[in-house]
Amino acid sequence: NAGVMQNPRHLVRRRGQEARLRCSPMKGHSHVYWYRQLPEEGLKFMVYLQKENIIDESGMPKERFSAEFPKEGPSILRIQQVVRGDSAAYFCASSPRRTDQETQYFGPGTRLLVL
Amino acid sequence: RKEVEQDPGPFNVPEGATVAFNCTYSNSASQSFFWYRQDCRKEPKLLMSVYSSGNEDGRFTAQLNRASQYISLLIRDSKLSDSATYLCVVPDSGGGADGLTFGKGTHLIIQP
Repeated sequence: NAGVMQNPRHLVRRRGQEARLRCSPMKGHSHVYWYRQLPEEGLKFMVYLQKENIIDESGMPKERFSAEFPKEGPSILRIQQVVRGDSAAYFCASSPRRTDQETQYFGPGTRLLVL
Repeated sequence: RKEVEQDPGPFNVPEGATVAFNCTYSNSASQSFFWYRQDCRKEPKLLMSVYSSGNEDGRFTAQLNRASQYISLLIRDSKLSDSATYLCVVPDSGGGADGLTFGKGTHLIIQP
């Protein structure tokens, strides 16, 4: 049973370009969470999705960032017109149920570098 | 979102020693708590869950103090491989929020 998969593992973009980060949850998991970890900082929650629905996006920046989790295929975190401050590690996590008593399982992350 | 506070360290500890970290949280409604471990440039991995009064797993013991709103992690007979950053994690609860709130982590260095 493969774990949470993320790709690419490393992504380099120039300012103004778009970044697309993909996350495939563990088999049987329909709940996906995205987190951002800035250098020397803790992980910060961004968004929580179930299939085809955004449940909680309270941690998402208001502009340039969007997320989706289509019926088929991986969850996508999209960053438009990237800036240097977007450079960070972006982790995806999944769980079989809403997180209350249930832990989340993390993917290896995508490290975004904006030049 | 609610806060989770940890001493960032680093804690420099000789191999074989016992070390303990504390973590305070502000969301009194939280029912479950976790310790995660994160190695350098890796993803967080679950170390222990803390559901009630505490939890023990081999050399690791986690305690919960609801009255004072803190949890602790005790590592006995520390190994070189225990060197990592330990993250205190509290699920958000109430109001439909579902993310995990992470502390910034406590950096542990086990010295030979």
